[in-house]
Amino acid sequence: DAGVTQSPTHLIKTRGQQVTLRCSPKSGHDTVSWYQQALGQGPQFIFQYYEEEERQRGNFPDRFSGHQFPNYSSELNVNALLLGDSALYLCASSFVDYTDTQYFGPGTRLTVL
Amino acid sequence: DQQVKQNSPSLSVQEGRISILNCDYTNSMFDYFLWYKKYPAEGPTFLISISSIKDKNEDGRFTVFLNKSAKHLSLHIVPSQPGDSAVYFCAACGGYKLSFGAGTTVTVRA
Repeated sequence: DAGVTQSPTHLIKTRGQQVTLRCSPKSGHDTVSWYQQALGQGPQFIFQYYEEEERQRGNFPDRFSGHQFPNYSSELNVNALLLGDSALYLCASSFVDYTDTQYFGPGTRLTVL
Repeated sequence: DQQVKQNSPSLSVQEGRISILNCDYTNSMFDYFLWYKKYPAEGPTFLISISSIKDKNEDGRFTVFLNKSAKHLSLHIVPSQPGDSAVYFCAACGGYKLSFGAGTTVTVRA
């Protein structure tokens, strides 16, 4: 039973560029959430997708956008990258009826230079 | 705003003894609480959870206690083992999103 997978593992970009991160949920899960974890902090909620729609959003600017595909996989896009966007980006999946228990992938480490 | 707080950034405990991790929250709308464990270069791993209608939940060596009136929860690990050395995050759910504390780094000494 495959868990949550994310790609790529690491990414280095320069300021102003755009980046796309990918996530495949755990088998049977239909809901995907994205979190940003800065060094020394807990994960911060970016948004959640269900049925290909953004269901809830945290306090992140519109530069952060996402998408969910019919197979439940998801992408996180960040435009006009800033140095402060450097962080670990975590994807979590869950069942729609149990969105409280979310299972996390290994994360994508984004470095913005 | 920081709605979930873990005030102890680190904890050192001897192997075989009890580890107690604490967490406080401010939002009374939270109705489900979770603990996650994180090793370096890995994503958080779900450990144990508790609903707001309970005050205790056990799973093997892990027990979570919830005091709703104090808006406080704790995780007890008994006995502590070297493999328990990791960062532990407290999380609270109200709606769809999880709100996390900053984490407590646990070191289990042999």
